[in-house]
Amino acid sequence: NAGVTQTPKFQVLKTGQSMTLQCAQDMNHNSMYWYRQDPGMGLRLIYYSASEGTTDKGEVPNGYNVSRLNKREFSLRLESAAPSQTSVYFCASSEAILRDEQFFGPGTRLTVL
Amino acid sequence: LAKTTQPISMDSYEGQEVNITCSHNNIATNDYITWYQQFPSQGPRFIIQGYKTKVTNEVASLFIPADRKSSTLSLPRVSLSDTAVYYCLVGRGSTLGRLYFGRGTQLTVWP
Repeated sequence: NAGVTQTPKFQVLKTGQSMTLQCAQDMNHNSMYWYRQDPGMGLRLIYYSASEGTTDKGEVPNGYNVSRLNKREFSLRLESAAPSQTSVYFCASSEAILRDEQFFGPGTRLTVL
Repeated sequence: LAKTTQPISMDSYEGQEVNITCSHNNIATNDYITWYQQFPSQGPRFIIQGYKTKVTNEVASLFIPADRKSSTLSLPRVSLSDTAVYYCLVGRGSTLGRLYFGRGTQLTVWP
């Protein structure tokens, strides 16, 4: 099992460009999450999906959209990238909301110039 | 919002026991307490989760007093490979949007 995979690993964008971060899990988990981590900071929840077909805002959702494509995949889209979105993005999944262990992907390092 | 307070950093030597305390004064009745470990350039990794009293697994122990306003992660006999950032989280399923990771505690283990 690959666990949680994320693509791409690195990305450089110019201000105003758009892109989609992809996340997939092969553990048959119901819940998936997107976090961002800025230098020296903890993780902040952007969006989450408690189950297939549902998505909800987390702590810092502005400037992002998400799609729970199916049970395996949860994508994060930046419609118009801004330098403030330069960060490392982590995707995670768990069998159920919060009470179960969250498994994290390796992260995507995004730089917006 | 059940935010948490942890020491920013701690130092220890190999072979010692390390205790990291987390304060969560506003913890709600249904909140669980979870600890994660993060190495540089990696995603966090689950260590342990508890609701009250004591929980132990092969990696660590979690002590939670009766009032649940704090918790202590105990790492027995640390090694250099335990150098990492440790996060304390408090939250529950129905309010995941309020989950707060915080800045964590940077533990450095010296030889």
